[in-house]
Amino acid sequence: QVQLQQWGAGLLKPSETLSLTCAVYGGSFSGYYWSWVRQPPGKGLEWIGEINHRGVTNYIPSLKSRVTISLDTSKNQFSLSLSSVTAADTAVYFCARRNSGSYWGDSYYYMDAWGRGTTVTVSS
Amino acid sequence: SSELTQDPAVSVALGQTVRITCQGDSLRSYYASWYQQKPGQAPVLVIYGKNYRPSGIPDRFSGSNSGNTASLTITGAQAGDEADYYCKSRDGSRVVFGGGTKLTVL
Repeated sequence: QVQLQQWGAGLLKPSETLSLTCAVYGGSFSGYYWSWVRQPPGKGLEWIGEINHRGVTNYIPSLKSRVTISLDTSKNQFSLSLSSVTAADTAVYFCARRNSGSYWGDSYYYMDAWGRGTTVTVSS
Repeated sequence: SSELTQDPAVSVALGQTVRITCQGDSLRSYYASWYQQKPGQAPVLVIYGKNYRPSGIPDRFSGSNSGNTASLTITGAQAGDEADYYCKSRDGSRVVFGGGTKLTVL
């Protein structure tokens, strides 16, 4: 069964760059999209972006100018970089695997494996 | 619109049936998936596709889709089902989450 283990700095100052990494254990790295999702304190889930094993990325438009998701296929790892952070970027950040399937030609997508989350606080 | 709308809070008596709904235009094109999140924990997938449950999810959880609405039904709610529930869909190349529904089991 696939497991995702994530890590990264938990306390940042405004204008610094957030960097998180997620390692994939026990499953194939190819054939999926690998996602980052965040959750501000007391709020709902917000998708940040995703990358597949070929390096194709999708990002939420509101963060696109500051976000980079990259991967290291040799290590089965993918990473999130978010530049110029502010207090509004304070959140728990989750990595997740996006899986897909189809039913009578209709595609469906779902996140079937998640990391435990990393709390990132931005404060001066 | 890429938004998904959920009721902020729903309650159900222990052992009764509850339906949590999710509305959005993207649901006319994509199936929703549903996630359960308990305090301090990562989300857990409970329903995806037409009405599929991952291994380990009890069969009291079921899903349905009609037009622009997706529904998660819990038949015979248990105390351990008390949690936040999020729907998720796609809007082209983007992923969209609903705002979440806090389920209280009375």
